[in-house]
Amino acid sequence: EAGVVQSPRYKIIEKKQPVAFWCNPISGHNTLYWYLQNLGQGPELLIRYENEEAVDDSQLPKDRFSAERLKGVDSTLKIQPAELGDSAVYLCASSGLVPNEQFFGPGTRLTVL
Amino acid sequence: TQLLEQSPQFLSIQEGENLTVYCNSSSVFSSLQWYRQEPGEGPVLLVTVVTGGEVKKLKRLTFQFGDARKDSSLHITAAQPGDTGLYLCAGAAVDSNYQLIWGAGTKLIIKP
Repeated sequence: EAGVVQSPRYKIIEKKQPVAFWCNPISGHNTLYWYLQNLGQGPELLIRYENEEAVDDSQLPKDRFSAERLKGVDSTLKIQPAELGDSAVYLCASSGLVPNEQFFGPGTRLTVL
Repeated sequence: TQLLEQSPQFLSIQEGENLTVYCNSSSVFSSLQWYRQEPGEGPVLLVTVVTGGEVKKLKRLTFQFGDARKDSSLHITAAQPGDTGLYLCAGAAVDSNYQLIWGAGTKLIIKP
């Protein structure tokens, strides 16, 4: 069974530029999460989807961040415009029948210069 | 605000030694999970504990959930270099299994 797939693995951009991250969850997992992780810290939830519905986006900075999961499968997280403080690892996770057992992708390491 | 505090933040020991890392909160959790994360990878689930006082073993790793379901410990016996990584605990909020409260992690280095 394939795990959670994320791309790109690394992204370097200049501040004020847009950037997008893509995630394909484990097949059959209805719940998808986007997290932000700073170095040496635990993940911080940005948004949670149940199928195509964003059911928890309270921690998503909506002035510059947006996300979509149009067909309830893969998802895209976008930042526009990026700021220096957005440099971090962006993790995608999915869960299935056991809701709090989350499976993570390898993450996208974003560097904003 | 629910918080999970992990200690120590950093631990570097020699191969073969034993160690224990802790995860503490003032809040009650419906379950608690331990993950290990290696550099450049996402966290990988090691174990989920659900019942107060529960003990689970995974080879040389022993996980315990506190009786009151507010804290947990991870004990590693005879640590090996392959155990090196960031160990994260995450507690499931009582009112929502989807909401995980994450600790900041313990960075463990096992020197050969």
